[in-house]
Amino acid sequence: DTEVTQTPKHLVMGMTNKKSLKCEQHMGHRAMYWYKQKAKKPPELMFVYSYEKLSINESVPSRFSPECPNSSLLNLHLHALQPEDSALYLCASSHLQGEKLFFGSGTQLSVL
Amino acid sequence: QKEVEQDPGPLSVPEGAIVSLNCTYSNSAFQYFMWYRQYSRKGPELLMYTYSSGNKEDGRFTAQVDKSSKYISLFIRDSQPSDSATYLCATVNAGGTSYGKLTFGQGTILTVHP
Repeated sequence: DTEVTQTPKHLVMGMTNKKSLKCEQHMGHRAMYWYKQKAKKPPELMFVYSYEKLSINESVPSRFSPECPNSSLLNLHLHALQPEDSALYLCASSHLQGEKLFFGSGTQLSVL
Repeated sequence: QKEVEQDPGPLSVPEGAIVSLNCTYSNSAFQYFMWYRQYSRKGPELLMYTYSSGNKEDGRFTAQVDKSSKYISLFIRDSQPSDSATYLCATVNAGGTSYGKLTFGQGTILTVHP
């Protein structure tokens, strides 16, 4: 089983809303990632968690707040987003940081 | 200059053709190489993973890595309409403060027409 599950699949939010994206994997992977992908562009790394600790933060604005409650779960809390934050948000996991990544199907986010 | 350069395409081929997708990279710290396939509005799907120079074959797919020239390729034999997607090469940084960071090429859009 190489499944990474993301919810919700679609999200529309206003600029004053607070919402969260969720990601779950049951492969025993100890590294989890958040990527952002704009249309016709490759995914861009946002955050990496290794053994539930934040390992890499790619200078992401504070309106994006990641959380890793346990080794199977990864959340991305969203607050006061801008329309330019509209994108496909992808979660991924790997056995260890630096190994092959498995991606979820993503959350298509629209900020109005 | 981008760290990973990928032929942007788009590429359009007839069914049954052999497809060649190519990337070059500039950072010698890149030690692991992957190819992903991505359908529209879906997450990338891992196709091939390799870390050594040479060829790796899996069904209709062959990944080729030449570390001396920093060149990676993906060959698709007997291409099918279902292979129509965006193909992304990716490398993993195996050293320094960016250890484990995956860097993608820009992606090549492939269309296989019946």
